[in-house]
Amino acid sequence: LAKTTQPISMDSYEGQEVNITCSHNNIATNDYITWYQQFPSQGPRFIIQGYKTKVTNEVASLFIPADRKSSTLSLPRVSLSDTAVYYCLVGVVEGGSQGNLIFGKGTKLSVKP
Amino acid sequence: SAVISQKPSRDICQRGTSLTIQCQVDSQVTMMFWYRQQPGQSLTLIATANQGSEATYESGFVIDKFPISRPNLTFSTLTVSNMSPEDSSIYLCSVRKRDRGSVNYGYTFGSGTRLTVV
Repeated sequence: LAKTTQPISMDSYEGQEVNITCSHNNIATNDYITWYQQFPSQGPRFIIQGYKTKVTNEVASLFIPADRKSSTLSLPRVSLSDTAVYYCLVGVVEGGSQGNLIFGKGTKLSVKP
Repeated sequence: SAVISQKPSRDICQRGTSLTIQCQVDSQVTMMFWYRQQPGQSLTLIATANQGSEATYESGFVIDKFPISRPNLTFSTLTVSNMSPEDSSIYLCSVRKRDRGSVNYGYTFGSGTRLTVV
């Protein structure tokens, strides 16, 4: 499984756009990139997943360059409730894979008023 | 996505005792996983529990310390045995399931069990 590297922490203010970049230089051809959000005292929650280019849902956007060696999670207009730890994971999510998720250290995002 | 009920949500236990954590899923899933999250740290995979076979443990985790049961496709238990203060952590179960109409698998996590060993 590809190892991921993220900033340990980030600070932002309400209403700003936040971009969290994750490096995964050894990503394999079959690997997908998935981001999870974890609030204190809760389990991680799926945010977004992608393979290449750009993916957008109601919560975030995920930008993946052509070489797929990095990815950027973009949170538009963050609020105080977006304060959480964000994990970038890389692995196979299709049938027949080993199936387990390996978590890196994550990025602790603090949103201030 | 699947809905997971994990019990207990928290417990304080005496050293040397054991605690069994339950994970109930609202639908049948093949793969279930148990993670540990120590204070301020990321999640570490303990083992993968598949129905009909013995659990597969990650390096640093052994069956005698963390026995796992998987009696059916909706339920699993993790026991933390002969506890010491170093076992104080949050323990989470997770399931992998493909939603209808999706080509990929999604992972859902329980809310965790906060264990304190005194």
